[in-house]
Amino acid sequence: GQNIDQPTEMTATEGAIVQINCTYQTSGFNGLFWYQQHAGEAPTFLSYNVLDGLEEKGRFSSFLSRSKGYSYLLLKELQMKDSASYLCAAMDSNYQLIWGAGTKLIIKP
Amino acid sequence: IAGITQAPTSQILAAGRRMTLRCTQDMRHNAMYWYRQDLGLGLRLIHYSNTAGTTGKGEVPDGYSVSRANTDDFPLTLASAVPSQTSVYFCASSDHSSGGSDTQYFGPGTRLTVL
Repeated sequence: GQNIDQPTEMTATEGAIVQINCTYQTSGFNGLFWYQQHAGEAPTFLSYNVLDGLEEKGRFSSFLSRSKGYSYLLLKELQMKDSASYLCAAMDSNYQLIWGAGTKLIIKP
Repeated sequence: IAGITQAPTSQILAAGRRMTLRCTQDMRHNAMYWYRQDLGLGLRLIHYSNTAGTTGKGEVPDGYSVSRANTDDFPLTLASAVPSQTSVYFCASSDHSSGGSDTQYFGPGTRLTVL
């Protein structure tokens, strides 16, 4: 079956670095997406990886290992506004997204 | 408008009633999607449409129907609402074409409560 696993909740300190891990199993693979979702709002696109390696975009970076079925989202210089849920989603062979339940990130001052 | 809009923002509905959630996008994306999001669960795909005139079933289609008469609009209908359909509903769209990114962009959501 198809499955996405990511931690339910993480806590980090303002100004620090946090890594949110995601493992996936899909029928075929057409890329790995990360979205940010603030409470009561819609998910917003953060990053897309289809090749192995690290993609850096400002304070956020995303890594993919296709052979391990593994990705992580790295957030640097954490700010209070980064408190949100982070959703990992893998695109299967039918170009459908399979979603994880999301990781709630709590930032403490 | 720019992006995706959904209506209504929220709705309380009596069980057994019929309800249509509206979704409109102005990005000329060919693909559109309806998801529901429940606490502790990931987004679950209800129905999708890869192009105007075609629709497909997602993971949880029972009790829902959709239509795609044109590129911009993708309404979701609950024929006879039940309490288990209480959820937040998100519409999304993407450029699912050769050279398109397939990145999905979401509307603001509709919070539906069925009593």
